[in-house]
Amino acid sequence: GQNIDQPTEMTATEGAIVQINCTYQTSGFNGLFWYQQHAGEAPTFLSYNVLDGLEEKGRFSSFLSRSKGYSYLLLKELQMKDSASYLCAVMDSNYQLIWGAGTKLIIKP
Amino acid sequence: GAVVSQHPSRVICKSGTSVKIECRSLDFQATTMFWYRQFPKQSLMLMATSNEGSKATYEQGVEKDKFLINHASLTLSTLTVTSAHPEDSSFYICSAGGQKDTEAFFGQGTRLTVV
Repeated sequence: GQNIDQPTEMTATEGAIVQINCTYQTSGFNGLFWYQQHAGEAPTFLSYNVLDGLEEKGRFSSFLSRSKGYSYLLLKELQMKDSASYLCAVMDSNYQLIWGAGTKLIIKP
Repeated sequence: GAVVSQHPSRVICKSGTSVKIECRSLDFQATTMFWYRQFPKQSLMLMATSNEGSKATYEQGVEKDKFLINHASLTLSTLTVTSAHPEDSSFYICSAGGQKDTEAFFGQGTRLTVV
């Protein structure tokens, strides 16, 4: 079956760095997405990786290793507004998005 | 980025009534839209794929007669929850795009509460 694994919850301190991991097993691969979702709101797009390596976008970076079925989202200089759930999603061979359950990130002052 | 508009954002209805949720792509044509459901602290669950001009494709376990989807134009898809019951209370989200190498654009979501 298809599976996306990411930690349920993480806690970090304001101003620090946090890495959220995602491992996947899917039938085919056409890219990996990271989304941010605040409580009660729809997800917003953060990043897309289809080739191995690191994609940097401001305070957020996303890394992909296709051979390992692994990605991480790196958040630097954490701010209180970064408290949210972070969703990892993989597009399979049928171009369907397979969603992880999300990682709830709690930022403490 | 592209904009997908979803209405209403919140709705409270009585058990047994029907509720219609609209999803519009404002600045692009979407031949395919997706409808998701999300329970608290759980992942997005794909309910159905809405195809312009043809019948929607429902995921296993989703009742097509209960969740009616209409995609009559390239910019509008609607989800109607018929004969709603309290267990239908959930957060419903539509999206467009998210195919091939494009990002998915999400509507704002609709919080449905059935009392």
